[in-house]
Amino acid sequence: DIQMTQSPSFLSASVGERVTLSCKASQNINKYLDWYQQKLGEAPKLLIYNTNNLHTGIPSRFSGSGSGTDYTLTISSLQPEDVATYFCLQRNSWPRTFGGGTKLELK
Amino acid sequence: QIQLVQSGPELKKPGESLKISCKASGYTFTDYAMQWVKQAPGKGLQYMGWINTQTGKPTYADDFKERFVFSLETSASTAYLQINNLKNEDTATYFCAPTGNWFAYWGQGTLVTVSS
Repeated sequence: DIQMTQSPSFLSASVGERVTLSCKASQNINKYLDWYQQKLGEAPKLLIYNTNNLHTGIPSRFSGSGSGTDYTLTISSLQPEDVATYFCLQRNSWPRTFGGGTKLELK
Repeated sequence: QIQLVQSGPELKKPGESLKISCKASGYTFTDYAMQWVKQAPGKGLQYMGWINTQTGKPTYADDFKERFVFSLETSASTAYLQINNLKNEDTATYFCAPTGNWFAYWGQGTLVTVSS
């Protein structure tokens, strides 16, 4: 199985700050990498699919990049409503595997 | 609009069984496979597997091959997750998600608590 490692596990940042979250795969996943946001008590919400495609209705402050084994989710200007846990998911091979998550809070 | 409505929370004892439902609406049920995802309390997301909604064939991730059963009632646009011989470690929220590729839609989750 492909292992997905997210870093950091926990991040504290200020409103307006640029935030970068990382997801590293144990092997090449050919950009089949999605990002999800999960707020407390809610289902995950798709933000980005296939590395850099913004899902419908997602604010443009979210962006994704990467290739091979290394992928990044960037929030260009952190907003209070972005407090959540963020998960990456690889869909290059079966079984699908999620990263362990990055919990983002406001400083 | 696509909606997934899952059945309500369950409290069970070890060794019992349960069946969670996931009713889909807003799309043709057989157009998308149905995925299942587990989230233990305070933990991350764990992929359980999927069921082909056209053929009914389930595919399970390794950790879910023994006591877990995916099934369908296509006429009712409903997918089911059955867990047999419940264990304490099955305590979690279980999500259904219809997918073509990425997981754009999710059910609200069903909380299962296993406790003696």
